[in-house]
Amino acid sequence: DAGVTQSPTHLIKTRGQQVTLRCSPKSGHDTVSWYQQALGQGPQFIFQYYEEEERQRGNFPDRFSGHQFPNYSSELNVNALLLGDSALYLCASSSGTANTEAFFGQGTRLTVV
Amino acid sequence: GNSVTQMEGPVTLSEEAFLTINCTYTATGYPSLFWYVQYPGEGLQLLLKATKADDKGSNKGFEATYRKETTSFHLEKGSVQVSDSAVYFCALSDWTGGSYIPTFGRGTSLIVHP
Repeated sequence: DAGVTQSPTHLIKTRGQQVTLRCSPKSGHDTVSWYQQALGQGPQFIFQYYEEEERQRGNFPDRFSGHQFPNYSSELNVNALLLGDSALYLCASSSGTANTEAFFGQGTRLTVV
Repeated sequence: GNSVTQMEGPVTLSEEAFLTINCTYTATGYPSLFWYVQYPGEGLQLLLKATKADDKGSNKGFEATYRKETTSFHLEKGSVQVSDSAVYFCALSDWTGGSYIPTFGRGTSLIVHP
């Protein structure tokens, strides 16, 4: 079992650019959640996808969007990047119908310059 | 809304010392509670969990008890090792707006000296 995999591991972008991050969930999981973790902070919930629909959203602007594919993998897109978007972006997968633990990928470190 | 409050770090201990990291929570429902650990440059790994009041989660010598009356889930370990140095996150998962959404604390850094 490969667990949750994210790509790329590191990324450097310029202000105003757009970025796409990718996540493959753990086998058997149908729900993907994305989190932003700033340095020294806990993960902040961005949104959650289930059955290819955005099911819940945290307090993030519309510049943050996502997608879930039929194989449950997911993408996080961020438009018009700001310096403040620099963070570790974590993907977590879980079962959508049970209150069990989320499994995390290793994250994508995004640096906006 | 739901929230998790952890004690501020860093917590600095000598090897074999006793560890306590405090965690309290606020939830509208009846959440499951978790402790995650994050090593430098990595994602979060589940350390232990508890799903109902008075449950004790345990793993790798760490343990935490779900205390509904005090809304707490403090992490303890009797004898820490240098390899336990990491950031520890307390989290809850509750049914919110149609799905289970984990909510995390800010994290507590643990530094263990030989």
